[in-house]
Amino acid sequence: AQSVAQPEDQVNVAEGNPLTVKCTYSVSGNPYLFWYVQYPNRGLQFLLKYITGDNLVKGSYGFEAEFNKSQTSFHLKKPSALVSDSALYFCAVLSLGDSWGKLQFGAGTQVVVTP
Amino acid sequence: DAGVIQSPRHEVTEMGQEVTLRCKPISGHNSLFWYRQTMMRGLELLIYFNNNVPIDDSGMPEDRFSAKMPNASFSTLKIQPSEPRDSAVYFCASSLESPGADTQYFGPGTRLTVL
Repeated sequence: AQSVAQPEDQVNVAEGNPLTVKCTYSVSGNPYLFWYVQYPNRGLQFLLKYITGDNLVKGSYGFEAEFNKSQTSFHLKKPSALVSDSALYFCAVLSLGDSWGKLQFGAGTQVVVTP
Repeated sequence: DAGVIQSPRHEVTEMGQEVTLRCKPISGHNSLFWYRQTMMRGLELLIYFNNNVPIDDSGMPEDRFSAKMPNASFSTLKIQPSEPRDSAVYFCASSLESPGADTQYFGPGTRLTVL
């Protein structure tokens, strides 16, 4: 079975400090991994994805994520957090069904950036 | 592009009433997804359409839930009769191709409250 775990319910960071949101996955075969962000009362917005190639993926709003196959991780990072980065972040893994792929979302991590 | 459009944004109804949620996917996208988000269960995929055909409805909770996609630009999710436990935020998402590694784009959601 395919699954994704976000071990932290909440991450607190001061503005200007580095931000890391953790994600680990379990899949059979090659993983397709995604990060989405959800602002209050909004839908999920796509940040970045890893399909193949370079292990370091750059995405929107200055975010990046590093795919680590040996540790089965796909942590989201931002070198310098902004107060406006405060939101709910979801990691997702593509679960390949019989004929199509189904996104399996993690439980989400609430990021709080304080001024 | 207007993005994925959902209506209504908020719906308050009484137990036993019929509820219809509407979605307009991004023009040109041929895959459409309905999700439900609750605090207890997180994000759940309810049903997936490809080229207007339901491909996987294994996530639909029970017979009270039904979804249709009469054409490429419109889909509905109906709950009849509604129950308080159906209270949640319902998201519609669309993607360009059959889900493999393509990005899903989410609408703003419909917040449903069943009294």
